[in-house]
Amino acid sequence: DTEVTQTPKHLVMGMTNKKSLKCEQHMGHRAMYWYKQKAKKPPELMFVYSYEKLSINESVPSRFSPECPNSSLLNLHLHALQPEDSALYLCASSQGDASNYGYTFGSGTRLTVV
Amino acid sequence: DAKTTQPNSMESNEEEPVHLPCNHSTISGTDYIHWYRQLPSQGPEYVIHGLTSNVNNRMASLAIAEDRKSSTLILHRATLRDAAVYYCILRDGLNGQNFVFGPGTRLSVLP
Repeated sequence: DTEVTQTPKHLVMGMTNKKSLKCEQHMGHRAMYWYKQKAKKPPELMFVYSYEKLSINESVPSRFSPECPNSSLLNLHLHALQPEDSALYLCASSQGDASNYGYTFGSGTRLTVV
Repeated sequence: DAKTTQPNSMESNEEEPVHLPCNHSTISGTDYIHWYRQLPSQGPEYVIHGLTSNVNNRMASLAIAEDRKSSTLILHRATLRDAAVYYCILRDGLNGQNFVFGPGTRLSVLP
């Protein structure tokens, strides 16, 4: 298995809803990442987990709450989002932190906040 | 963070080679040069990476300048499927977690 699987592929939620995005990989990768991508812009790093511990939070608002229950799973819990949070949310994994490892990205969850 | 600069867009004809340049004049000695591409409606896809020597794989070649201040991604025969945004990224040798995308180059392939 050489994939990062993200579910759901599409999500529409209201501003008072609570929802979660899920990301899964079975490549034995020990670093996992959340990125946010707005239309026609490059992906922006949100969170990094290394060996199941949060190691980077790029000043992301608390309405986004990441969770890494085990080395294969990464969740992003969403609560009280704003319409400007509508974007493609990408998950990625890599074998480790070292700079000679590549990243594997999922296809993303396209989130619309109404 | 060491930064990269790339042209905003490039065009190529199908079945011709494409050379995508990237400047990274502030690269440090331990930074690896990574290239990713993003096809429409998909997540970024790994293309190739290298440190000092030129690298080849089934997708592309990476030519790295001797002083490492620039690199070129080479697609040997462009196909319509290669139309994508190509990102050149330096993966920090001291803090490899901070993988930051620049604006990238939008490659159009003409039939």
